Amino acid sequence: QQQVKQSPQSLIVQKGGISIINCAYENTAFDYFPWYQQFPGKGPALLIAIRPDVSEKKEGRFTISFNKSAKQFSLHIMDSQPGDSATYFCAASISNFGNEKLTFGTGTRLTIIP
Amino acid sequence: KAGVTQTPRYLIKTRGQQVTLSCSPISGHRSVSWYQQTPGQGLQFLFEYFSETQRNKGNFPGRFSGRQFSNSRSEMNVSTLELGDSALYLCASSSGTGGPGQYFGPGTRLTVT
Repeated sequence: QQQVKQSPQSLIVQKGGISIINCAYENTAFDYFPWYQQFPGKGPALLIAIRPDVSEKKEGRFTISFNKSAKQFSLHIMDSQPGDSATYFCAASISNFGNEKLTFGTGTRLTIIP
Repeated sequence: KAGVTQTPRYLIKTRGQQVTLSCSPISGHRSVSWYQQTPGQGLQFLFEYFSETQRNKGNFPGRFSGRQFSNSRSEMNVSTLELGDSALYLCASSSGTGGPGQYFGPGTRLTVT
């Protein structure tokens, strides 16, 4: 059972443009939603995370938008740069003490073209 | 602080053999989680250890096991290897007490022939 659905599978954006990746979840008990960035040959790196008590969180060029009623959240990368080319994973977890299990989306391969 | 380290980085094994992978978490972190990453199944949770006890387990067969030592270092063992076990095995460390997130190591690339 896939509990976190991610789209699109791949995305090509021009340099300077906005990259948008979407995720939807099913389990309403999820209350922690991180995004990870993975380069080839590396482990996933924590990029930004949000909890459902806020609708948006911004860190530099990266913004998470969260819609609790729709059970959806998205990553926006502003002014996309070639160095942003990587695979991005959304994830979700139930953050009570004693549960570190992350449920991941299927990933989005982002390519930024000059 | 040093990041999460995993050894070895690459491993080639034959079907039927067993393998042990090692993970050293970030200093001060007491939780270590293991994930399997494959092109077909994506990132899947194997298990999590906290203070030397398995606290969470994913849906993997009993051939996959792990342990954690008093210094929080963790090992993962896979017995009777199958071709389908070929994957990138990632460990992630966190405080384990509701801290800011999990931090992944570079992974161990296991190839089963």
